[in-house]
Amino acid sequence: GAVVSQHPSRVICKSGTSVKIECRSLDFQATTMFWYRQFPKQSLMLMATSNEGSKATYEQGVEKDKFLINHASLTLSTLTVTSAHPEDSSFYICSARIAGGPDTQYFGPGTRLTVL
Amino acid sequence: DQQVKQNSPSLSVQEGRISILNCDYTNSMFDYFLWYKKYPAEGPTFLISISSIKDKNEDGRFTVFLNKSAKHLSLHIVPSQPGDSAVYFCAASRPAGGYNKLIFGAGTRLAVHP
Repeated sequence: GAVVSQHPSRVICKSGTSVKIECRSLDFQATTMFWYRQFPKQSLMLMATSNEGSKATYEQGVEKDKFLINHASLTLSTLTVTSAHPEDSSFYICSARIAGGPDTQYFGPGTRLTVL
Repeated sequence: DQQVKQNSPSLSVQEGRISILNCDYTNSMFDYFLWYKKYPAEGPTFLISISSIKDKNEDGRFTVFLNKSAKHLSLHIVPSQPGDSAVYFCAASRPAGGYNKLIFGAGTRLAVHP
């Protein structure tokens, strides 16, 4: 149980385009989902917390207008990287908490974004 | 300000022996601690957790120990297997606006060799 999927697993795009990443909880409902970014050989950095039906909460230093988050249902959150630039190239990982459950977060497999 | 620290970037252990991964934290408000295992280009996999009201939690080959007075936790893997080779992250949870965020350590790369 507690499976989280991400799509796509890998995306290459041109500078200036927008990219949407989906995060789905497959076998549980998640009122809260989280978006992380991981740079090579570094730890996971929380970007934002996505709450179903309300606006996402962004961490300090994360641009809201650049990283658009939508959490329209209890099983789906999306992250859109708008007007992507090469410095946005990274490994993006989402996680989800089971609604009403403990603080354990279950992670998706991640999305490798490469901006040319 | 690193609130969760994993001071050993790497650890090498022989197959069959015990692996001990350590983690220190500074924030006494943390009330829930977790260990994750991560392979390259994959998301972290949840291994085991412990609440701050306990000092030990065991699940198969994995045991997590929590020393609140020292603000220290450790993950013991015994016996270690080559498939355990991965990066291990400890994480701590603290209440924040109604939902609990996880703060991750930098990770320790475990290599289990035959």
